[in-house]
This record gives sequence, structure tokens and C-alpha cells, in this order.
Amino acid sequence: GENVEQHPSTLSVQEGDSAVIKCTYSDSASNYFPWYKQELGKRPQLIIDIRSNVGEKKDQRIAVTLNKTAKHFSLHITETQPEDSAVYFCAASIWNNDMRFGAGTRLTVKP
Amino acid sequence: EADIYQTPRYLVIGTGKKITLECSQTMGHDKMYWYQQDPGMELHLIHYSYGVNSTEKGDLSSESTVSRIRTEHFPLTLESARPSHTSQYLCASSDQQREGQFFGPGTRLTVL
Repeated sequence: GENVEQHPSTLSVQEGDSAVIKCTYSDSASNYFPWYKQELGKRPQLIIDIRSNVGEKKDQRIAVTLNKTAKHFSLHITETQPEDSAVYFCAASIWNNDMRFGAGTRLTVKP
Repeated sequence: EADIYQTPRYLVIGTGKKITLECSQTMGHDKMYWYQQDPGMELHLIHYSYGVNSTEKGDLSSESTVSRIRTEHFPLTLESARPSHTSQYLCASSDQQREGQFFGPGTRLTVL
């Protein structure tokens, strides 16, 4: 089955800096890669996703890149703000089935 | 408004009690999931269902059972609660038409 590894487990940046979280997956058949943000005491929420036929996707300050050959994908947050502080989870699945999550990255943005 | 609902939101019980955590969704999704998560930590899949009368075990054996008699309802039952079951339980749903899983607000369970 699919195995998703995520790093770093914790990340601390200064407000305004960029943050990058990386994930690798094992099953070359995986074709859908969502990212979730979980704020303290709240439910995980989908913030951006990418399909395997696309190499990069942007939504304002966040972007996701995918390298199918190397089987890794990354979340990029630019101009970080304190409200970006949360735990971020990557995931991989085949057509939205058998979704596997990474272990999470706790991002802290210091003002 | 389409959403996923979980009750109770908080529960404190004694060891050995049988409890059922409720999850209902008005999203119209056919797939539903239960995850166990210590706050801010990894999501562990406990059970999932791809439709009515379909249930499967996930990676985490938590001595629990689920049922899926109605599309919108996916309750999780702990037959005999133990302190090791103390955690947050998240219900989620998804379908083929719209990608991603959508999570409920969670039930925070404490077993004394």
C-alpha cells in the first residue's frame, strides 16, 4: 500500500519568510495529492490539491509542486503570517481512494 | 448547509463502558471514515466505508466497530473503553465527484 513521508515535523519561520514542507510517496499509481491545514482545536481543512497531470498549482500565497518521477511533492507558503501557524498534512491517493496522510508538520510563524 | 456533524463533541467516561460516537453527513458523500488523532498529531485510520453495508478496518486496531446502514450515518462503537482510547476521533467523508476528504469537528474522548 501507499506510504507517505512528510518532513520536517516542525518548522519555525519569521513572519514574511517562506515556508516549504516536503512529502514523498511510494505508490507510483497515486494521482491525487491534497494538503490540509489544521489549526489548534479545529478540524483539518483542505487548502490546496494537485493532480498528477499538473506540475504546479498556485492559490494566492500557497503553491504546491509535484515531481512524479521522484515521487515527491511540496507545499510552499510565501510571505508567511501568524495566522499560517498550524499543523499541515500532505496526503496521496488513487482517484480519491485509499488516501494516506503524512505525519504532519507543525508550522510556527513568529511575529 | 452541507456539513459533517459529530456528537458528542466532548465525552468523559469510566473504564469498561460501552460508547457510541455519532457521525452524520449531509454532503451526499458515499464514502466515510473514522480517524483517531491526538491533538495536532498524526491521523490514524480506524475504519472506513465505501457505501451502505460496506465497512473495512483501517491501520489502527482500536477494538471498535462501525456500521453503515444509511448513507449519511456512520457510528463508531467502543465495546469496552480503556484509558488508551483517550484521544480525539474525527469523522470524514468523500466522493468521486469532488476530491479530498472533508472532516467533522471531532469528538474529544477521555476515559478515566
